[in-house]
Amino acid sequence: AQSVTQPDIHITVSEGASLELRCNYSYGATPYLFWYVQSPGQGLQLLLKYFSGDTLVQGIKGFEAEFKRSQSSFNLRKPSVHWSDAAEYFCAVRSYNTDKLIFGTGTRLQVFP
Amino acid sequence: DTGVSQDPRHKITKRGQNVTFRCDPISEHNRLYWYRQTLGQGPEFLTYFQNEAQLEKSRLLSDRFSAERPKGSFSTLEIQRTEQGDSAMYLCASSLGHPSRDYGYTFGSGTRLTVV
Repeated sequence: AQSVTQPDIHITVSEGASLELRCNYSYGATPYLFWYVQSPGQGLQLLLKYFSGDTLVQGIKGFEAEFKRSQSSFNLRKPSVHWSDAAEYFCAVRSYNTDKLIFGTGTRLQVFP
Repeated sequence: DTGVSQDPRHKITKRGQNVTFRCDPISEHNRLYWYRQTLGQGPEFLTYFQNEAQLEKSRLLSDRFSAERPKGSFSTLEIQRTEQGDSAMYLCASSLGHPSRDYGYTFGSGTRLTVV
């Protein structure tokens, strides 16, 4: 069965530090991968997506993610975190045969000044 | 176009009552999705439509839940005889559903349901 694992429930970083949020997926074919961000009480905002081609994907707000097929991973990175990045981050995979997203349980990011 | 709109933003209801939520997608998007998100979890797929046709329903969508998209534009999600376990954020999303599959999803801000 398709699944997404986000191993880190909660991450705390200092403002200006680098960030990497981990995402591993279980999927038999070429996955369609997404990262979303959610502020408290809000909906989901798309940060970036990967369908094919260059395995390093650039997104909004200075985020990037790298698809590594050999590791079944799609980790999200940012070189310098801002206080406004504090939020919940979700990785998701879309099945080839259906049109639904399967989400991980999320990683809550806390940023200290 | 201001994105995906959901109404109401918050709903408090007594157990056993019926509730209905509305979602207005981005106008040119032909696909519309409903997800449910409980506290501390990622969103879980409930159902989706292409135009007015409901193409897939999750096992999470019990017989107390019904979703419609009668004219292929806005959609409603009704929960009958609400239970405390229905308390969650209900998220709507829309997409172009282009055959190339190279498309993303735009989510609304959600409707938070509290059953007391």
